Amino acid sequence: EVQLLESGGGLVQPGGSLRLSCVVSGFTFTSYAMSWVRQAPGKGLEWVSAVSDSGGSTYYAGSVKGRFTISRDNSKNTLYLQMNSLSADDTAVYYCAIQGASSSGSFSYWGQGTVVTVSS
Amino acid sequence: DIQMTQSPSTLSASVGDRVTITCRASQSTNSWLAWYQQKAGKAPKYLIYKASSLASGVPSRFSGSGSETEFTLTISSLQPDDFATYYCQQYNIYPYTFGQGTKLEIK
Repeated sequence: EVQLLESGGGLVQPGGSLRLSCVVSGFTFTSYAMSWVRQAPGKGLEWVSAVSDSGGSTYYAGSVKGRFTISRDNSKNTLYLQMNSLSADDTAVYYCAIQGASSSGSFSYWGQGTVVTVSS
Repeated sequence: DIQMTQSPSTLSASVGDRVTITCRASQSTNSWLAWYQQKAGKAPKYLIYKASSLASGVPSRFSGSGSETEFTLTISSLQPDDFATYYCQQYNIYPYTFGQGTKLEIK
C-alpha cells in the first residue's frame, strides 16, 4: 500500500520559516517526480513546487519562487519543502503528491496533508 | 501560465442523474489533463488522466473527454458517494495549474 505522510506543519509568525517533510512508503520513490500542492482555507488547489526523480530539477509557482525550496533525499524516501519569509497568504493545508505513476505530471497518490498557519 | 476555468462552479443534481463538468484551458494542454475528486477535509482523489484514461479503481460511471483546450468530466449515473468537489488540472507545462473547482451538491 502506498503511503505518504507529511509532517512539520504548525503555527508560525509572519516572516518566519518552516520545513515540511513527506515520507513515502510502499512505492518506488526514486523513480518518480514529486510535488507539493496547497489549499488555503475554503479555497481550491494550488500547485506549489515539483522536483524531478533525481532531485536535479526543481520547479516553483510564481507565488513562492525565491522563498520556498523543494528537495528530496532518495536514501530516506523523503520529500522536503523549506518555506521562508512566510506570510498570511501561505496559510494552507500542504499536500505532497507522487507525480506520474499513471501519467507524468498528474498526481496519482496524495498524502493526508499538514496544516500551516501563518499568524502573529 | 495556463489558466484553467471550470463551469459551473456549483451544480445541483439528484442520485441517478447524468452530469457534466466542463474545463477550459487558456491554451492547448495537449490532452495532459487530469481530474480529481475531493471531499471535505480529505485529500484529493485521482480520477482521470490524459483527459480520458480512468485511474485504477475508479468506477466506470466516470468518464473524461476532450482535447486541446476544452475538456469534460461526465458522471453517467450519480451515486450518493459522488457528491463532492471536482478539480481539473493541466500538466502540459510548469507551472501546473488547477481549475477553481466545481461543487456537486445534492438537489
